[in-house]
Amino acid sequence: QKEVEQDPGPLSVPEGAIVSLNCTYSNSAFQYFMWYRQYSRKGPELLMYTYSSGNKEDGRFTAQVDKSSKYISLFIRDSQPSDSATYLCAMSLNSGGYQKVTFGIGTKLQVIP
Amino acid sequence: DAGVTQSPTHLIKTRGQQVTLRCSPKSGHDTVSWYQQALGQGPQFIFQYYEEEERQRGNFPDRFSGHQFPNYSSELNVNALLLGDSALYLCASSAADRGLNGYTFGSGTRLTVV
Repeated sequence: QKEVEQDPGPLSVPEGAIVSLNCTYSNSAFQYFMWYRQYSRKGPELLMYTYSSGNKEDGRFTAQVDKSSKYISLFIRDSQPSDSATYLCAMSLNSGGYQKVTFGIGTKLQVIP
Repeated sequence: DAGVTQSPTHLIKTRGQQVTLRCSPKSGHDTVSWYQQALGQGPQFIFQYYEEEERQRGNFPDRFSGHQFPNYSSELNVNALLLGDSALYLCASSAADRGLNGYTFGSGTRLTVV
C-alpha cells in the first residue's frame, strides 16, 4: 500500500463548476499537508499549506484536512479553464530532524469552457 | 527576483553514459532538494543539500550523487544511466528557517535515456 493515494483522473468539469480533489494517507505521523498545481512542462507550484485538521481558505481554493480519517481535500470554486493542470497532494513528517515530503501521483484536471 | 533556475531544460543521453544537471536556488534560499518525476507519477525525493552537505537521502542508488557549492547552487550527477532514469528532474529550494511553506520548484530538466 502506498503511503499517499490519489486518483490520477483525468477529471473533466465545465467552467464554473466546483471541483473536489482528494487524497488518503496511511501514515499517521504526517504533520503538514500541501497542495501543488503543476502545469504541463512546468515544476509544481505551492497552492495551499496546512498543519492542523480543519479548513483553510485562499480565494477560490479551500483545503480541508481530516486527520482522524487520514483524508485531505482541495476544493476549487468557480473553476476556470486556467485551472486546468495536474494537482498534487503532498505530506510531510519529521525524519531525523528534517521534513520528509511524500507526494501523491497527481490528479489531472481539465476545465472545459 | 529570479526563482529556481535549472539547466539544461532538455537532455538526451545514451544508456551507460553519465549526466550532470544544475540548479540555482531562489534568492535567499540555502537548501536544495532534488526530485525525480517519472511520466504520470508524483515527484520522488532523491536527496537534499544544506551547508554543502547531503543531509537527507531517498531510496535511490549510489549512481545518483550531488553537490552543493558555497553560493548554494547544486548539481545532480547520475552515472551509468539506465533507460528507467528517463524522467523530469526537479530541483526545489527553500530557506532553512522557513520550512516547507517556502518550498519553490524549478521547471525541471527532462532527461531522456535511449
